[in-house]
Amino acid sequence: EVQLLESGGGLVQPGGSLRLSCAASGFTFSTYAMSWVRQAPGKGLEWVSATSSSAGSTYYADSVKGRFTISRDNSKNTLYLQMNSLRAEDTAVYYCARRLWLEGGPFDIWGQGTMVTVSS
Amino acid sequence: ERVMTQSPATLSVSPGERATLSCRASQSVSSNLAWYQQKPGQAPRLLIYGASTRATGIPARFSGSGSATEFTLTISSLQSEDFAVYYCQQDNNWPLTFGGGTKVEI
Repeated sequence: EVQLLESGGGLVQPGGSLRLSCAASGFTFSTYAMSWVRQAPGKGLEWVSATSSSAGSTYYADSVKGRFTISRDNSKNTLYLQMNSLRAEDTAVYYCARRLWLEGGPFDIWGQGTMVTVSS
Repeated sequence: ERVMTQSPATLSVSPGERATLSCRASQSVSSNLAWYQQKPGQAPRLLIYGASTRATGIPARFSGSGSATEFTLTISSLQSEDFAVYYCQQDNNWPLTFGGGTKVEI
């Protein structure tokens, strides 16, 4: 079964850091581009960051640029999101999502999400 | 940035009726437009990509059309399980952007 499982969410103070992980299984992880998408409580979806299949290219939303870093370890079938200098507005459910093709496309597989709460 | 605008924000329909959801892009996104369904407490599910291609396992009552800046998702005969929030998303340009969503309610 194709599956994505996020972990690492929790409560963190403003200015703090958190590292999210997304473990992939059931498919050849190294052949798919991946992304992080978040959803603030009661709000819509917001794309956060993306990486190509080889991690040779990375992209960020302006709202997180310079604070978040996406990475992947294809040997461990795992996607990461390092989040620094966290703000209250970063509070959201964070989903990892597989993109349909090698270098892009829509999000065809989603994890169940991990909640990040930034609050003092 | 391509701003995606969905209308209406809320659509009230009865089971068995047809639902038509709209998505407009601020600039052309070619046919690189996807639709997702999200139910409360669940992750989004891909319905349509490439503006009109149904994703694997998606029933034929869901159809997508449009190109450039105007797109439509049609649900031909609403079933009880179709009541949810629907999002459009463009993957033609960075940053990737989603519409604000349309809630389909009874």
